[in-house]
Amino acid sequence: AAGVIQSPRHLIKEKRETATLKCYPIPRHDTVYWYQQGPGQDPQFLISFYEKMQSDKGSIPDRFSAQQFSDYHSELNMSSLELGDSALYFCASSSDTQRETQYFGPGTRLLVL
Amino acid sequence: GESVGLHLPTLSVQEGDNSIINCAYSNSASDYFIWYKQESGKGPQFIIDIRSNMDKRQGQRVTVLLNKTVKHLSLQIAATQPGDSAVYFCAENDEGADGLTFGKGTHLIIQP
Repeated sequence: AAGVIQSPRHLIKEKRETATLKCYPIPRHDTVYWYQQGPGQDPQFLISFYEKMQSDKGSIPDRFSAQQFSDYHSELNMSSLELGDSALYFCASSSDTQRETQYFGPGTRLLVL
Repeated sequence: GESVGLHLPTLSVQEGDNSIINCAYSNSASDYFIWYKQESGKGPQFIIDIRSNMDKRQGQRVTVLLNKTVKHLSLQIAATQPGDSAVYFCAENDEGADGLTFGKGTHLIIQP
């Protein structure tokens, strides 16, 4: 079965640079979620989108923004990167009929130097 | 703030034995709970879920128990196999919120 696709899988950036992470949800899933997982930590919810509108907001820094496009893929834009932004970033998706069940992608590992 | 937490960070069991991973939650408004398995370098993989109107749900080799009175969730894995080695997270969802709140994770180690 098709899963959530994330790109890139690995990304290295310098401090103060910008980064864009992409997420392609499972086909026919209309809700996308972004999570950040620091080393040895549990995933922390950042933001979610339903039908291209922001649905809920968690602990997303003001330096980050995200959007969902008409094909339901989503992008997480990160600016003024800091060393502490180094983490795994997961995207998850869910369907309208079973919205609570979130299926996660493989993640993007971001390293800020 | 309210959060979901786990009692033990590491659990070591013999191959073939049953494993029980525990989780305590504090948000009484939570109405949906999920267990995820996360292998090193991979995303959380859905294992089983349960709604707050149930106290037990069974899947293939896994059972989730929910005790709302003491706000406790557990995952039982029968006849553990080497492939079960991973970090297991419980997560909860508060009605009206999108984001899942994860616990701290239990590292399950399977000994041969």
